[in-house]
Amino acid sequence: EVQLVESGGGLVQPGGSLRLSCAASGFTFSTYWMSWVRQAPGKGLEWVANIKQDGSEKYYVDSVKGRFTISRDNAKNSLYLQMNSLRAEDTAVYYCVRGITFGGLTYYFDCWGQGTLVTVSS
Amino acid sequence: EIVLTQSPGTLSLSPGERATLSCRASQSVNNNYLAWYQQKPGQAPRLLIYGASSRATGIPDRFSGSGSGTDFTLTISRLEPEDFAVYYCQQYGTSPGFGQGTKVEIK
Repeated sequence: EVQLVESGGGLVQPGGSLRLSCAASGFTFSTYWMSWVRQAPGKGLEWVANIKQDGSEKYYVDSVKGRFTISRDNAKNSLYLQMNSLRAEDTAVYYCVRGITFGGLTYYFDCWGQGTLVTVSS
Repeated sequence: EIVLTQSPGTLSLSPGERATLSCRASQSVNNNYLAWYQQKPGQAPRLLIYGASSRATGIPDRFSGSGSGTDFTLTISRLEPEDFAVYYCQQYGTSPGFGQGTKVEIK
């Protein structure tokens, strides 16, 4: 069974940093692009970032470029999101997601974790 | 960047009725690379449809997707109690985007 389990969320002050982790199991992690998708409270879904199987390509939504860094460790079957300079508008549930991606184009997301809540507030 | 607009915002129906949800793209979606997701309160989204009309693994056949170009539809032929949820469409890309969602609520 495919499982994605996020951790690392919590309350952080504006301007602070947080590192999210995602532990993957039940599939060959190293053969899939992986993504982070977020959902602000009561709002819709927003793709945040994705990373190629070997980490050589990364893409970000404009609003997080220069502040967030996606990375992975295939030996540990883990995905990460380092979030710096956090803003109130980054408050959301962050989902670790497996993407069906070819040539940098993500076609759909077929497996989702349960999410971890990040709250940016003073 | 392709913008997806879903309608209606809320659909009030009774169990057993047919639900028709619309997703309109601001420009043509190449090769119909459009997906649909279902999200229930407090849960992660679940993939229903990909490639505009292909059902994901384990999705009941009462869910069907159709459309091409800029106009896409998700149809639930007969609503079951567990189908009342929010539905999102999503288009492919290097920056994949989602529609704003349609809530299907019990009338």
